[in-house]
Amino acid sequence: EVQLLESGGGLVQPGGSLRLSCATSGFSFSSYSMTWVRQAPGKGLEWVSALSGTGSGTYYADSVKGRFTISRDNSKNMLYLEMNSLRAEDTAVYYCAKNMRSSSSSCDYWGQGTLVTVSS
Amino acid sequence: EIVLTQSPATLSLSPGERATLSCRASQSVASYLAWYQQRPGQAPRLLIYDASNRATGVPARFSGSGSGTDFTLTISSLDSEDFAVYYCQQRSDWPLTFGGGTKVEIK
Repeated sequence: EVQLLESGGGLVQPGGSLRLSCATSGFSFSSYSMTWVRQAPGKGLEWVSALSGTGSGTYYADSVKGRFTISRDNSKNMLYLEMNSLRAEDTAVYYCAKNMRSSSSSCDYWGQGTLVTVSS
Repeated sequence: EIVLTQSPATLSLSPGERATLSCRASQSVASYLAWYQQRPGQAPRLLIYDASNRATGVPARFSGSGSGTDFTLTISSLDSEDFAVYYCQQRSDWPLTFGGGTKVEIK
């Protein structure tokens, strides 16, 4: 059974940093691209970032480019999102998701999300 | 970036009725469009990928159609568990983008 479990969310001040983690199991992690998607309270879904299976290909939304870094540890089946220079508009539930194939493919499995709140 | 416009914003229907949801892209995305369902308090769930392919375990009452800029998600007969928000997403070009969503509510 495929499982994705996010952690690392919480309350952080504007300008601060946070690292999200996504623990995965039930599939051959290194064979699949992975994605982060966020959802601000009461709003729709926003694609944030994607990463190829080898970690060599990274993709970012313009709203987070230069501030967020996606990475993975294939030896630990873990996905990460390093978030710096956080802003109030980054407040959201962050979901990690498994891609069906490539980094641009649809996401067939999702975690339950972790809430990030950026506020003073 | 490619903008996806979903309509209507809200669809009020009764169980057993047919639901037709629309997603229009600001430029062609070929067939690279997916549909997701999100129930309250839950993570999104993939329903349809590449315009018309049902994801694993998705009931046959869900179907997708379209190509280019105009796409449709059809639910042939609404079940109580289908009342949720539906999002389309394109994967034709970076950055990937989602539509604003259509809420299907009980009439």
